[in-house]
Amino acid sequence: DTGVSQNPRHKITKRGQNVTFRCDPISEHNRLYWYRQTLGQGPEFLTYFQNEAQLEKSRLLSDRFSAERPKGSFSTLEIQRTEQGDSAMYLCASSRSGGASETQYFGPGTRLLVL
Amino acid sequence: AQTVTQSQPEMSVQEAETVTLSCTYDTSESDYYLFWYKQPPSRQMILVIRQEAYKQQNATENRFSVNFQKAAKSFSLKISDSQLGDAAMYFCAYRSAFRETSGSRLTFGEGTQLTVNP
Repeated sequence: DTGVSQNPRHKITKRGQNVTFRCDPISEHNRLYWYRQTLGQGPEFLTYFQNEAQLEKSRLLSDRFSAERPKGSFSTLEIQRTEQGDSAMYLCASSRSGGASETQYFGPGTRLLVL
Repeated sequence: AQTVTQSQPEMSVQEAETVTLSCTYDTSESDYYLFWYKQPPSRQMILVIRQEAYKQQNATENRFSVNFQKAAKSFSLKISDSQLGDAAMYFCAYRSAFRETSGSRLTFGEGTQLTVNP
């Protein structure tokens, strides 16, 4: 169990550019979540996958955001035409579905700064 | 929609003392799960303790315990014998037990920054 990994850990971009983040979940976990955390706030849910299917999306996930999880393994989160308001920490979490015992394990996050 | 509120933005405790972090939540659901997560500076969030709403017994994990008051919708975290390594941001979180309504998402509070003084 190597834990959830995220790359890159930091990203600085200019407004209007596209960025893509990657998340590698714990290998046997079939669920994968994306959250966004702004400074001094708790994480906010963006979207989640069960295997390769994207089952739920938050209203926070505007049409500039897209997430994929091909083959039910790693996931990518792309932000197109970035805005300064997109500056935040983007957290990925994974879990094994199992009702009451389900626990989400978080990665270290990708910190995005849009200039 | 469910909401989670942490009314203490900052708390401090002396090493070896006990501290309690508060959390309240609002939900119309009868079955759910509650969590406390710890986020040390520049490090990833880790689970501290979890509570299942249908269980009346308060959860305990070593020096960490909760006071779960379902009727009051209150879920506080008690840290006993505080250690320097306990310094972190602590988040209270809620998860519905009904996938059809809220999926498996976690709803977090705003967090409480805990400082441990030597």
